Amino acid sequence: NAGVTQTPKFQVLKTGQSMTLQCAQDMNHEYMSWYRQDPGMGLRLIHYSVGAGITDQGEVPNGYNVSRSTTEDFPLRLLSAAPSQTSVYFCASSSTGGNLNEQFFGPGTRLTVL
Amino acid sequence: AQSVAQPEDQVNVAEGNPLTVKCTYSVSGNPYLFWYVQYPNRGLQFLLKYITGDNLVKGSYGFEAEFNKSQTSFHLKKPSALVSDSALYFCAVRDKGKGGKLIFGQGTELSVKP
Repeated sequence: NAGVTQTPKFQVLKTGQSMTLQCAQDMNHEYMSWYRQDPGMGLRLIHYSVGAGITDQGEVPNGYNVSRSTTEDFPLRLLSAAPSQTSVYFCASSSTGGNLNEQFFGPGTRLTVL
Repeated sequence: AQSVAQPEDQVNVAEGNPLTVKCTYSVSGNPYLFWYVQYPNRGLQFLLKYITGDNLVKGSYGFEAEFNKSQTSFHLKKPSALVSDSALYFCAVRDKGKGGKLIFGQGTELSVKP
């Protein structure tokens, strides 16, 4: 199993540009989520999904969209990039069980918005 | 609201000495607590979790954590630190609300010197 994969690893955008961060998992996990990691702030949840066709907002959803058309994929879209979205983005997945099971994290995407 | 706090930004330990990384929580009812580790330029990896039962939880790489309900703490411990344990450690609590998302502390940088 490849686990959780994320592309790209690095990305530089100009303010106002849009892009999609890709996330895929091959473990048939129902639960998937996106976090951003900023120094001194831990990980903050952006959006999450409890299954295909179901998504919900996390702690910091503004400026981001998600969709979950398949169990495997959970892309994160930046609609109009802003410097405040410079961060490291992590995708994670876990099996059901009320999220009592461990989350598996991807390697991250380091995004810089100029 | 559920939350966790990691009071130390950095912990320095000599190799071979015991280590403790502190975490306190604020949760209504019984908490579901987790520890994750992040090595440089990597995603987070699950170490251990407390759901119910024995207050001493054993996890990966020789780590263990002690759940203390009276002190609302879930400190991570290891009897003998290794240089390879140097990493960023995150405590997390499962949110009791919709979706059961994880709420992370801000992280503690552990540095183990030879």
